[in-house]
Amino acid sequence: QVQLQESGPGLVKSSETLSLTCTVSGDSISNYYWSWIRQPPGKGLEWIGYMYYSGTTNYNPSLKSRVTISVDTSRNQFSLKLSSVTAADTAVYYCARCARGYSYGPWDYWGQGTLVTVSS
Amino acid sequence: ENVLTQSPATLSLSPGETATLSCRASQTVSSYLGWYQQKPGQAPRLLIYDASNRATGIPARFSGSGSGTDFTLTISSLEPEDFAVYYCQQRNNWPPTFGQGTKVEIK
Repeated sequence: QVQLQESGPGLVKSSETLSLTCTVSGDSISNYYWSWIRQPPGKGLEWIGYMYYSGTTNYNPSLKSRVTISVDTSRNQFSLKLSSVTAADTAVYYCARCARGYSYGPWDYWGQGTLVTVSS
Repeated sequence: ENVLTQSPATLSLSPGETATLSCRASQTVSSYLGWYQQKPGQAPRLLIYDASNRATGIPARFSGSGSGTDFTLTISSLEPEDFAVYYCQQRNNWPPTFGQGTKVEIK
């Protein structure tokens, strides 16, 4: 059974960098595309970006200048960094696996999500 | 970006009734549209991919249809566990986008 688990600080100060890690268990991180998706409280879903196990990445243009996604295949983990955060970045952040053979969805496995609050 | 508009915003139905949810895209997405279910405090769950294919383990009462810009998710004979928020998502145009959601609530 594939499981994803997000970890990282739940509170980040405005203008600082948000850092989260997704640990994958039950399957290898290889041969899949892995995404970060976020959801502000009470609102809809926004795709942040993806990475392939080889290190290839692609980001939402709306966040591209502030986002970095990286992979650590030895630990079966991938990470998100979002710089210069503001209150608008307060959201539940999900990591998710794209179904085999796909890259921009559909996502068939998701982490439980972690709430990150940006404080001033 | 391709804007997905879901309607209605809220659907009030009783268990056993049929729910019909709509997703309209501002640009064609061919058949590259999926549907997700989200319950409070939980991650989204994939229901349908590529317009009409049920994901693994999804009951047959969930069905998807459509192509181009107009899509429908139908939930036949609503079960108590089906009351949730449903999102559509397209992967045909860059970047991938989601609709704003339709809440299916108990009448």
